[in-house]
Amino acid sequence: AQKVTQAQTEISVVEKEDVTLDCVYETRDTTYYLFWYKQPPSGELVFLIRRNSFDEQNEISGRYSWNFQKSTSSFNFTITASQVVDSAVYFCALSEVNWAGSYQLTFGKGTKLSVIP
Amino acid sequence: DGGITQSPKYLFRKEGQNVTLSCEQNLNHDAMYWYRQDPGQGLRLIYYSQIVNDFQKGDIAEGYSVSREKKESFPLTVTSAQKNPTAFYLCASSSARDPSNQPQHFGDGTRLSIL
Repeated sequence: AQKVTQAQTEISVVEKEDVTLDCVYETRDTTYYLFWYKQPPSGELVFLIRRNSFDEQNEISGRYSWNFQKSTSSFNFTITASQVVDSAVYFCALSEVNWAGSYQLTFGKGTKLSVIP
Repeated sequence: DGGITQSPKYLFRKEGQNVTLSCEQNLNHDAMYWYRQDPGQGLRLIYYSQIVNDFQKGDIAEGYSVSREKKESFPLTVTSAQKNPTAFYLCASSSARDPSNQPQHFGDGTRLSIL
């Protein structure tokens, strides 16, 4: 079973529309961390946000906002007034202890966002 | 500027050949990681190292090998035993003081193809 599920494979929106990228995770740990990364066409991953399991406050950074709900194991990402530069693949990731006792990031399969001018 | 440098950007492998992907970081990070990305897939962990001279297998280590002789460097060798090596390879690093909550910083990647 997937530990991090991003059900939306691809999304297309017209510029200035709002868009929400979904992320559902699965873990047995009580302490864990969630991340969002952006991968533009150039290929490198860019860190966007980190959230720990004890902090359910929503966070806003400019046009970006994140909604963390432990009750539904979700960590959704909303882009307000989307722009063409937002076009990228977005990954949600979960940090938890692996079989060796070390922390490991598990990534979802990503959501490809295309913003059409 | 501090960052992670991966080279080469594109690499071609012949059948039966081993190839080595370079990853260098000047962020003074203790932990380094190698991921493989296939089209339409998320990143899968190949190997990671939390300290010099020590490394651990990730989820898909078969057919790969690594070394960590220096803090700054974590090269990945794709051996001939890896039957499907065509993929995009990403190297990352993070502070190991508390690896659970540290974001990983990524290089620009190496795209490996079979000739």
